[in-house]
Amino acid sequence: KAGVTQTPRYLIKTRGQQVTLSCSPISGHRSVSWYQQTPGQGLQFLFEYFSETQRNKGNFPGRFSGRQFSNSRSEMNVSTLELGDSALYLCASSLVARQGSYEQYFGPGTRLTVT
Amino acid sequence: DAKTTQPPSMDCAEGRAANLPCNHSTISGNEYVYWYRQIHSQGPQYIIHGLKNNETNEMASLIITEDRKSSTLILPHATLRDTAVYYCIVRAKYGNKLVFGAGTILRVKS
Repeated sequence: KAGVTQTPRYLIKTRGQQVTLSCSPISGHRSVSWYQQTPGQGLQFLFEYFSETQRNKGNFPGRFSGRQFSNSRSEMNVSTLELGDSALYLCASSLVARQGSYEQYFGPGTRLTVT
Repeated sequence: DAKTTQPPSMDCAEGRAANLPCNHSTISGNEYVYWYRQIHSQGPQYIIHGLKNNETNEMASLIITEDRKSSTLILPHATLRDTAVYYCIVRAKYGNKLVFGAGTILRVKS
């Protein structure tokens, strides 16, 4: 079974620009979560989408947004980029069931550099 | 904030068992203990999880104390490829938000 895929793998943007990152979950997984990893703050939860609805959100400014499509693929967008947005952005997918949550599987990440 | 405490780093000889401790003294009854690891610049990899019983899979074993306030991840025969940052995470039964702490850097040496 194919794993979580993220595109692009590397990206360089300029301050003030916006960026869109894409994540394709494992087939059959309907929950997609996004995380930001920086050397200073470590791994931090951004948001989670399930059935095209955001159902959990981390403590990030409104410049960070996301969406999920009917095929469970997800995108996240960062507007008005700042230097501090330089990070590894990770996507994770999982099954969801009424009796509880399942383990999350992470993609390889998108390395974003803001100059 | 992370609800777990882990040593910042550990060394292990190749071929020996690696025992990684984790304290989670404030864990509640419906929270699970999850372990992930992250090899340099890759996405975190799921290893194992448990509620109160010891668990074993092809990668590792998880030993949870009877009071559930601490646990130990055991890699039975560590190899150089097990060098990574290991994260112990307490997670609610429902919901997919993982709160990562700083983790333990495990260095496996030949």
